[in-house]
Amino acid sequence: KAGVTQTPRYLIKTRGQQVTLSCSPISGHRSVSWYQQTPGQGLQFLFEYFSETQRNKGNFPGRFSGRQFSNSRSEMNVSTLELGDSALYLCASSLGTDANTGELFFGEGSRLTVL
Amino acid sequence: AQTVTQSQPEMSVQEAETVTLSCTYDTSESDYYLFWYKQPPSRQMILVIRQEAYKQQNATENRFSVNFQKAAKSFSLKISDSQLGDAAMYFCAYCRRDKIIFGKGTRLHILP
Repeated sequence: KAGVTQTPRYLIKTRGQQVTLSCSPISGHRSVSWYQQTPGQGLQFLFEYFSETQRNKGNFPGRFSGRQFSNSRSEMNVSTLELGDSALYLCASSLGTDANTGELFFGEGSRLTVL
Repeated sequence: AQTVTQSQPEMSVQEAETVTLSCTYDTSESDYYLFWYKQPPSRQMILVIRQEAYKQQNATENRFSVNFQKAAKSFSLKISDSQLGDAAMYFCAYCRRDKIIFGKGTRLHILP
């Protein structure tokens, strides 16, 4: 069974640009969640999608957005990039149903550097 | 709002010794899950151990065990016979109804 796949693994952008990150969950998983990891703030929840609908959202500005497709793949987009957006962005998938125990399966992350 | 606190940003332990990582959380709910996740350097995060709040028995996975004190809202992780491969960032997490909150993590160093 393939794991969670995130692309690209590394990318460099400049301030003001936008970026799109992709996440393919484990087959059969319908929930995809996104996290921003920085040395200072730790792991912060961005949002979670289930069956193409945003089900939960963290405290991030509107520049951060996401979506989920019918095949459960998800993308997140950050517009008007700021230096502080430099981080490791992690995607995780889970069953997301009532049977879900909350266990998350993480991808290796996309490391974004904003210059 | 629920919060998760890991009061030890960094810890070190001698190889083969035992170490305990602390985690406290705040919630008004009675039914939830608690997790410890491990993030090795430059590698993906993986689940170490899971505890259901309705179970009084502490979860155990080989060398990893937890001390779950529901009334005190404490969930510590004990690693026995520490190995070099245990060096990682450890995150405590609280989950209820697919909403998960992580602590800021504890970086564990293993001294040979």
